[in-house]
Amino acid sequence: AQSVTQLDSQVPVFEEAPVELRCNYSSSVSVYLFWYVQYPNQGLQLLLKYLSGSTLVKGINGFEAEFNKSQTSFHLRKPSVHISDTAEYFCAVSTSGSRLTFGEGTQLTVNP
Amino acid sequence: IAGITQAPTSQILAAGRRMTLRCTQDMRHNAMYWYRQDLGLGLRLIHYSNTAGTTGKGEVPDGYSVSRANTDDFPLTLASAVPSQTSVYFCASSEVELSPLHFGNGTRLTVT
Repeated sequence: AQSVTQLDSQVPVFEEAPVELRCNYSSSVSVYLFWYVQYPNQGLQLLLKYLSGSTLVKGINGFEAEFNKSQTSFHLRKPSVHISDTAEYFCAVSTSGSRLTFGEGTQLTVNP
Repeated sequence: IAGITQAPTSQILAAGRRMTLRCTQDMRHNAMYWYRQDLGLGLRLIHYSNTAGTTGKGEVPDGYSVSRANTDDFPLTLASAVPSQTSVYFCASSEVELSPLHFGNGTRLTVT
């Protein structure tokens, strides 16, 4: 079975600063990795996904993530955040034939 | 606008009562899912359906049941609600396995 751990429950940053949200996974087989974002009082939306190929994945809103198989990580990054990026971010992992498993979430708060 | 509709938006329910949360999608997706979201625990899968007529148990199925009579509808029933079922419930769908999940806006349920 796979599992995913988000290493930070809350990340406060100032506007225009860079940010990294950390995600580590555990699986004995090949994985597929996702980042979702949840704005207040809404459902989750897909930010980006890694299925295969290039380990650097670009998503919406200027976010990107890098799949690192040796470190079993899939950290999410943005070089310069905006107030509107304030939201909860979820890392998720799946394997062939299994359901998606979500991490506990990281609350990103961007302060002016 | 295509998407997932959940009803009700919120509900306060007395313990022991029966409750059905409704979920309808208009994207003709094959797979549908029910998750519960609890602070610090992320999203946990309750039940899923890969296609109309079939259902399966997720990570936390006890106390819940689902049906999938057609492609569009996937109701979640709490036969006899308990306070530990207080949560935010999200319905989601995906075209096929590993396709991005599309989420509804959730149902906030409080069991007293």
